[in-house]
Amino acid sequence: DAGVTQSPTHLIKTRGQQVTLRCSPKSGHDTVSWYQQALGQGPQFIFQYYEEEERQRGNFPDRFSGHQFPNYSSELNVNALLLGDSALYLCASSLLRGRTSTEAFFGQGTRLTVV
Amino acid sequence: DAKTTQPNSMESNEEEPVHLPCNHSTISGTDYIHWYRQLPSQGPEYVIHGLTSNVNNRMASLAIAEDRKSSTLILHRATLRDAAVYYCIPRPYSGAGSYQLTFGKGTKLSVIP
Repeated sequence: DAGVTQSPTHLIKTRGQQVTLRCSPKSGHDTVSWYQQALGQGPQFIFQYYEEEERQRGNFPDRFSGHQFPNYSSELNVNALLLGDSALYLCASSLLRGRTSTEAFFGQGTRLTVV
Repeated sequence: DAKTTQPNSMESNEEEPVHLPCNHSTISGTDYIHWYRQLPSQGPEYVIHGLTSNVNNRMASLAIAEDRKSSTLILHRATLRDAAVYYCIPRPYSGAGSYQLTFGKGTKLSVIP
């Protein structure tokens, strides 16, 4: 089992550009969440996708959007990049059982640098 | 969300037990206490969770105070691989509040050979 895989591992973009990050969940998982982790801080929840819909959203602007595909993989899109968007972006997957989720499995993240 | 307080950093000698404390005095009665850790250059990984009783698994033990206002993650014999940032996270069992993990700054554990 490959676990949660994210691509690319590193990325450099220019202010104002758009970026797409990708995530494949752990086999058997149906829920994908995205987190942003600034240097020296804990991860901050961006949003969660389940059944191809955004189920919950954290305190992030509309420049951050996502998608979940029928095979449960997911993309995170960020438009009009700002210098402050430079961070480690983490994808986590879990399995919904009834009204609760199993523990989250995280990928190694995508390091985004905006210059 | 319940607020948590953890020491910024702790040190332990290799092969000695480590007790990582967490204060969560505003925790809801239905919140589970989850612990995750993040090794350098990796994503967080699940360690353990519990509600009221003490819990054990192959990685660690979790001791929960009777009033549930605090808990302690116990690593029985610290190894160099246990050097990481440890996060204590109260989380509802179900419903919208359970969808996300709310991370604080955690405790950075250093293990001395």
